[in-house]
Amino acid sequence: QSVLTQPPSVSAAPGQKVTISCSGSSSNIGNNYVSWYQQLPGTAPKLLIYDNNKRPSGIPDRFSGSKSGTSATLGITGLQTGDEADYYCGTWDSSLSEVVFGGGTKLTVL
Amino acid sequence: EVQLVESGGGVVRPGGSLRLSCAASGFTFDDYGMSWVRQAPGKGLEWVSGINWNGGSTGYADSVKGRFTISRDNAKNSLYLQMNSLRAEDTALYHCARTPYDYIWGSYRERYFDYWGQGTLVTVSS
Repeated sequence: QSVLTQPPSVSAAPGQKVTISCSGSSSNIGNNYVSWYQQLPGTAPKLLIYDNNKRPSGIPDRFSGSKSGTSATLGITGLQTGDEADYYCGTWDSSLSEVVFGGGTKLTVL
Repeated sequence: EVQLVESGGGVVRPGGSLRLSCAASGFTFDDYGMSWVRQAPGKGLEWVSGINWNGGSTGYADSVKGRFTISRDNAKNSLYLQMNSLRAEDTALYHCARTPYDYIWGSYRERYFDYWGQGTLVTVSS
């Protein structure tokens, strides 16, 4: 059972937009920065979003992040078949003194 | 180019030990914290442990506390994870990751993982 809650799967058609939610509590998302990771099949995770809404160099602006209270959201616009992957949210939990992750969301581009 | 290359994985019996290594290059190693994150087969990500630039601050997941020890050698640009009393549930692909961090109210806090290695597989089985 993950500390952060994500939907197991989401799907959308190419060119469409999708959002992935990540729900937590005041000890984690509510008072810490959220990051998002993309894991393509058979590869290491890749940082997509850090500090709630910042994109590392090289990440297209089709990817966006937001946070409100104890929840965070990853948005992906202009979906491509190459976006099919598992997506994870992560943050620090101040009560546990650990990094916690969501269980991951599998994105299918139909 | 940032590169992180893990080694040291393998098959070990329950109760055994392993030492993982991560060789870093392409950046100033002692400017960053580092972490270990694992992924059991077919499962999600689980943070294992993290360390600040000089080893003065470390953190462990409850699941490994007292059994695993993280360390680093800045002269060798290397990160380590000593794993003792291994259990079947420790079976996973272990990634090292570069980790920006800060201190909030004096407590160590890891912010995110901006570069990841490909991982080294640890299998605990009799």
